[in-house]
Amino acid sequence: AQSVTQLDSHVSVSEGTPVLLRCNYSSSYSPSLFWYVQHPNKGLQLLLKYTSAATLVKGINGFEAEFKKSETSFHLTKPSAHMSDAAEYFCVVSDRGSGGYNKLIFGAGTRLAVHP
Amino acid sequence: DAGITQSPRHKVTETGTPVTLRCHQTENHRYMYWYRQDPGHGLRLIHYSYGVKDTDKGEVSDGYSVSRSKTEDFLLTLESATSSQTSVYFCAMDSGTSGYTFGSGTRLTVV
Repeated sequence: AQSVTQLDSHVSVSEGTPVLLRCNYSSSYSPSLFWYVQHPNKGLQLLLKYTSAATLVKGINGFEAEFKKSETSFHLTKPSAHMSDAAEYFCVVSDRGSGGYNKLIFGAGTRLAVHP
Repeated sequence: DAGITQSPRHKVTETGTPVTLRCHQTENHRYMYWYRQDPGHGLRLIHYSYGVKDTDKGEVSDGYSVSRSKTEDFLLTLESATSSQTSVYFCAMDSGTSGYTFGSGTRLTVV
């Protein structure tokens, strides 16, 4: 079965500094991986997804993630944090069900705080 | 989000009462899901559906049932609500290449 581990429950950065949110996955086959963002009292928004094409994936709002099979990692980065980036971020792996459909398996989440 | 709505947005109910949450989509997607979100756990899958009248259990299905009589509607029922079911519930649909699209969530409080 697939699983996801987000290595930090909270990350705090200053505005204008880089962001790194770490994620490791476990998968028995080549996975599809995603990052979702959730702003306070809001639903979930897809940031980016990896589906076995380019290993460096660019998403919305300047975020990107690199798939590293040898390290089973899919860390999320952004060169310069903005106040509006403060939110909770979820790393997600797609698990293939017996009927051929996909179920999303979520990590526990990383709460990003951005300070002036 | 566009194409998928949840109702109600907020609900307070008493222990032991049945509760039904509704998810409605206008995109004619086949696969739909119910998740619950709790601090420190991310989102956990309750039930999912892969077509009309075709449903299956997720990892935290105890105390919940679902029904899908039409493609556009996926209902989640708490048979007899307990305080441990206080949570935020999200419905999602598999939008294919666009990934999953989530509803805005239902905040349920069981008192």
